[in-house]
Amino acid sequence: GAVVSQHPSRVICKSGTSVKIECRSLDFQATTMFWYRQFPKQSLMLMATSNEGSKATYEQGVEKDKFLINHASLTLSTLTVTSAHPEDSSFYICSANREPYEQYFGPGTRLTVT
Amino acid sequence: KQEVTQIPAALSVPEGENLVLNCSFTDSAIYNLQWFRQDPGKGLTSLLLIQSSQREQTSGRLNASLDKSSGRSTLYIAASQPGDSATYLCAVASGTYKYIFGTGTRLKVLA
Repeated sequence: GAVVSQHPSRVICKSGTSVKIECRSLDFQATTMFWYRQFPKQSLMLMATSNEGSKATYEQGVEKDKFLINHASLTLSTLTVTSAHPEDSSFYICSANREPYEQYFGPGTRLTVT
Repeated sequence: KQEVTQIPAALSVPEGENLVLNCSFTDSAIYNLQWFRQDPGKGLTSLLLIQSSQREQTSGRLNASLDKSSGRSTLYIAASQPGDSATYLCAVASGTYKYIFGTGTRLKVLA
């Protein structure tokens, strides 16, 4: 099956710094990738849709200036959490869409902001 | 706006029982529905994917059904085992293929 990787798997950063998370589709091209966030004991919430070569589409309530998404190639999307604060600590999961309807999820990145 | 709800929120059963997890969604215009398993602190493991044109899918002890018209799906687990203990999530894909996840069911199978 298709593989999606995320890097790093875990990251700890200090409050006020920025953190970049990478999502890669390893064996297929993905024009569309998605970013989700999961707080402890809660379900996954869609943050944004990442489109290769164009601006990301953010869900209501997600700050686009805080969560910068760049989909620079057909196999890579990055999520940058800018000026991170403890409340941004969460589990971030990406998924990549393989046409026409298949979607594959990455293993997730655990972000802890101290 | 699509909303996905799962019942029950938590379930504890003795080993060997057959059990049913429920998922309901408000908008029947979906492309597919997928059931996932998530172990604590881990990512998602895809269990079963049902396309909108399908009624059910089976894999081993798992069987998932889909009734689009009523906005419901069920995940049936036969002969449950302690290793089945996890959180089960259903997710529906519609519109631009993005998945909307349900609230999850935390399952504990007692040995």
